Amino acid sequence: DIQMTQSPSSLSASVGDRVTITCRAGQSIGIYLNWYQQKPGKAPNLLIYGASSLQSGVPSRFSGSGSGTDFTLTISSLQPEDFASYYCQQTFGSRTWTFGQGTKVEIK
Amino acid sequence: EVHLGESGGGLVQPGGSRRLSCATSGFTFSSYWMSWVRQAPGTGLEWVANIKKDGSEKYHADSVQGRFTISRDNAKNELYLQMDGLRVEDTAVYYCARIVTAVTTWHCDLWGRGTLVTVSS
Repeated sequence: DIQMTQSPSSLSASVGDRVTITCRAGQSIGIYLNWYQQKPGKAPNLLIYGASSLQSGVPSRFSGSGSGTDFTLTISSLQPEDFASYYCQQTFGSRTWTFGQGTKVEIK
Repeated sequence: EVHLGESGGGLVQPGGSRRLSCATSGFTFSSYWMSWVRQAPGTGLEWVANIKKDGSEKYHADSVQGRFTISRDNAKNELYLQMDGLRVEDTAVYYCARIVTAVTTWHCDLWGRGTLVTVSS
């Protein structure tokens, strides 16, 4: 299985801050990398697919980049509704997928 | 309106069985791969299984291989997860999700609210 290492596991930030979360794959996965946001008690919500494509309806302050093994999710200006957990997911190859461990974004 | 709704969760004893269902509406179910993802209390997301549009291909995580089986009924627009040999560590909220496939991406664009399975004596 392809391991996904996500960092940091948590961070504290203020409204308006620029936030960056990284995800590293154990082998090259091309751009088969997605990002999800999850709020407590809710289902995950797709933010970014194909490493950098913004899902319809997601605010443009969210962006993704990277290819191969190193990927980044950036929130350009953190908003109150963005305090949540974020997960990367690889969907490369043999139809066996893995998620990163998650990053909890908290209010400073 | 597109919708996914899981059911079948509850309390089950270790070693027991449970079948989860996911009812879908608002889209052509038979045109999509589907997935189950779970989340143990206070932890992250774990992929469980995927199934092809016509049910001819199925993939399961190592952690459930041989114990869980994903299936679907395209006539009923429903997805299932048969869970046998349940263990305490299978306690989780189980989500069904729709998979979108393209040349350079596979991703889950639609999720149900989840159903909680608790394995305990």
